[in-house]
Amino acid sequence: NAGVTQTPKFRVLKTGQSMTLLCAQDMNHEYMYWYRQDPGMGLRLIHYSVGEGTTAKGEVPDGYNVSRLKKQNFLLGLESAAPSQTSVYFCASAGGSPLHFGNGTRLTVT
Amino acid sequence: GENVEQHPSTLSVQEGDSAVIKCTYSDSASNYFPWYKQELGKRPQLIIDIRSNVGEKKDQRIAVTLNKTAKHFSLHITETQPEDSAVYFCAASRGAAGNKLTFGGGTRVLVKP
Repeated sequence: NAGVTQTPKFRVLKTGQSMTLLCAQDMNHEYMYWYRQDPGMGLRLIHYSVGEGTTAKGEVPDGYNVSRLKKQNFLLGLESAAPSQTSVYFCASAGGSPLHFGNGTRLTVT
Repeated sequence: GENVEQHPSTLSVQEGDSAVIKCTYSDSASNYFPWYKQELGKRPQLIIDIRSNVGEKKDQRIAVTLNKTAKHFSLHITETQPEDSAVYFCAASRGAAGNKLTFGGGTRVLVKP
């Protein structure tokens, strides 16, 4: 039982490049979330999903897109990376109230 | 939407002393309040949570109190130990299954031996 798995763990992008972050959970959770963590700002919700095939905007959705084609996977895409997107990205899933987090992806955009 | 304020941003305590972190929230419909601990380079992990039908909850050296009228809740750590050093986050949500959490800005706790 791996829980929530994020890939990759680290990535460096140049401004304007694109990439996809993958989140996979094996707990059969309905709800999945993408947060970004910046120093002094806690965790801010980017997008979330309440079930397969659904997505919704969170607090800071601009510059990101998501897809939930399969219940166990939640993908976060950056179409044209900007330095302001340098951050640590956490995926989380939930079946009830407690969120279960992945180990994070550290993204640097130069 | 919900707004969660957390204070202090940093807290230094002597080993064995108590630590208190306070949070306020804005959405009166929020009814689920978890606390997460994040060690350096690790994922946030749930340490305790409380629902609005309860005023206080304890788990060994950790306790959380909730004042719904004032819309604030607090984390209390007693007999602090060096392994309590971490960043702590409070959060709030409307509590329905899977409802999205809004986090406070975090408190960096340093326990000095």
